[in-house]
Amino acid sequence: NAGVTQTPKFQVLKTGQSMTLQCAQDMNHEYMSWYRQDPGMGLRLIHYSVGAGITDQGEVPNGYNVSRSTTEDFPLRLLSAAPSQTSVYFCASSYSIGTYNEQFFGPGTRLTVL
Amino acid sequence: RKEVEQDPGPFNVPEGATVAFNCTYSNSASQSFFWYRQDCRKEPKLLMSVYSSGNEDGRFTAQLNRASQYISLLIRDSKLSDSATYLCVVSMEYGNKLVFGAGTILRVKS
Repeated sequence: NAGVTQTPKFQVLKTGQSMTLQCAQDMNHEYMSWYRQDPGMGLRLIHYSVGAGITDQGEVPNGYNVSRSTTEDFPLRLLSAAPSQTSVYFCASSYSIGTYNEQFFGPGTRLTVL
Repeated sequence: RKEVEQDPGPFNVPEGATVAFNCTYSNSASQSFFWYRQDCRKEPKLLMSVYSSGNEDGRFTAQLNRASQYISLLIRDSKLSDSATYLCVVSMEYGNKLVFGAGTILRVKS
């Protein structure tokens, strides 16, 4: 199993550009989520999905869209990039039943917005 | 006030030392609790879940005090390979929708 994969690993954007960060998992997990990590702030939840066709907002959803058309894929779209979106983005997946679910994280995408 | 607060460190300890990390959380409705480990420029990985009765995994012991809303991690006999950032994590919803502390940096030196 590849686990959780993310592409690209690095990306530089100009303000106002749009792009999609890709995330895929091959563990048949129902639950997928996107986090961003900024220095001194820990990871913050952007959007999450409890299954194909179902998405919801996390703590910091503004400026981002998601969709979940398949169990495997959960892309994150930046609509109009801003310097404040410079961050490291992690995708994660897990089973959705039970109280103690281990989250499996992808390797991250390092995004710089100029 | 942050939902999950940790001492950022860094904690600089010699090999073989015992080190303890503390964490407090503000939402009394939190359901489940974890310690994740993050190596430099890598993704977080689950170190251990933290149960109400406390639990141990080799050199690592985690404790939870729901009344004080306090979580701890004890590492005994520190190894160089324990150098990492330790993330205190709570969940409001069945182990998902995680809320992370900012992390505590541990550096173990020979």
